[in-house]
Formats: sequence, structure tokens, C-alpha cells
Amino acid sequence: EAQVTQNPRYLITVTGKKLTVTCSQNMNHEYMSWYRQDPGLGLRQIYYSMNVEVTDKGDVPEGYKVSRKEKRNFPLILESPSPNQTSLYFCASSLRRGSLNEQFFGPGTRLTVL
Amino acid sequence: KNQVEQSPQSLIILEGKNCTLQCNYTVSPFSNLRWYKQDTGRGPVSLTIMTFSENTKSNGRYTATLDADTKQSSLHITASQLSDSASYICVVGTEYGNKLVFGAGTILRVKS
Repeated sequence: EAQVTQNPRYLITVTGKKLTVTCSQNMNHEYMSWYRQDPGLGLRQIYYSMNVEVTDKGDVPEGYKVSRKEKRNFPLILESPSPNQTSLYFCASSLRRGSLNEQFFGPGTRLTVL
Repeated sequence: KNQVEQSPQSLIILEGKNCTLQCNYTVSPFSNLRWYKQDTGRGPVSLTIMTFSENTKSNGRYTATLDADTKQSSLHITASQLSDSASYICVVGTEYGNKLVFGAGTILRVKS
């Protein structure tokens, strides 16, 4: 089944404790992206990757890192999480970059930083 | 400033009734407009996409319309079902930088 998977689905952590949220897609998509979703706001892009070893900042990159060593994986790293990073995170992928290309979203990771 | 505004914020309807969700945007230059359905605890799933030259697109009981002159779109749901309960998100794509601008969504609850 073609899908985007994320792990973990739920995570509660404390301020300053490094964490990684994994994302993997099995559709051979070139483009991958991370978003955060907060109440009352639209999805906001954190980072994106157009292909292996090519990443760039989105609209809200502060406090996050990413890497794209393999085409299928795009982990999101929070080196020193803070409470304002409490949010619902989505990984998405599409065949290529471009707003006409449909993005396929993972199931989401709900992160709470105490 | 590129913005997408959706209304209403939330809506409750009875099963079997029709409803219409609204999306107004100020995104420029416009490329396309997509509606997503997001079930609770799941990621968004695309329902329809329309480009500048298209003014209506259907997907089963979902019909999206686009008025590029007034920069408005609507999503009409016919004969609603309990499974239509979800958040509906309007997303506008730009040509410049291939950027997507997301609306905050309309939460629809269909009750029996």
C-alpha cells in the first residue's frame, strides 16, 4: 500500500531533550516536507526536500533540523525542544516539487513538550 | 500578503442534509486551489484540485467551485453522511516559488 508513515504517533517529552520524528514514504517521491498544525492556524511548512541531500527552510524552520540521506526517509530533529514546539506534525511527500503535485500526508505526530 | 480564509470555522448539520463551505483567498499569482479532507487523527487527503481555467470539479458527493475573478471557492457536500465529519482544508498554490498557502479549515460535524 502506498503510504507515508511517521513515528512515533504520540510523544511527550521535556524541554531540552533531543528527539527525532521519523518519516518514510514508499512511493519513490522526490519531494518531501514537514508541516506543523496548530489550532486556528493553517498548516505551516517547516522544512522541505526536493531530493536526496537537498533540503531547504520553509516558513517556520527555527528550532528544527532535517536530513535527507535516502530518498524514502526524511526525519525531523528537534535538538532542544521547547514548549512552543508543542504541536501536531505532519510529514508529506509528492512526486516532485510544484503546487500542482498532490501531497500525500502521513498520519501525524502529536508532540507535547513540558 | 498571501492568505486563505475559510468560513464557517465549524458547522453542525443533520445526516442527509447538504452544506456549503467557503474559501476566500488573496494569494497571487494564483496557480491552483485544492480541497483536502482531514479525518480526526489522520493526515489530510486531497478531494479536488482546480486550476485557473476550471470553475467546477466533482468527486462523488463533493463539488468544488472556483471563481478566480472574486478569488472565492466553495465546497458543496450533497446528502451528507456521518463519515463526512472531518475538517475541510482549502489550499491555494502559487506559481511563484511553487508555494502552498493553507487555510485553517472548517470543522464539519454530521449528526444523526
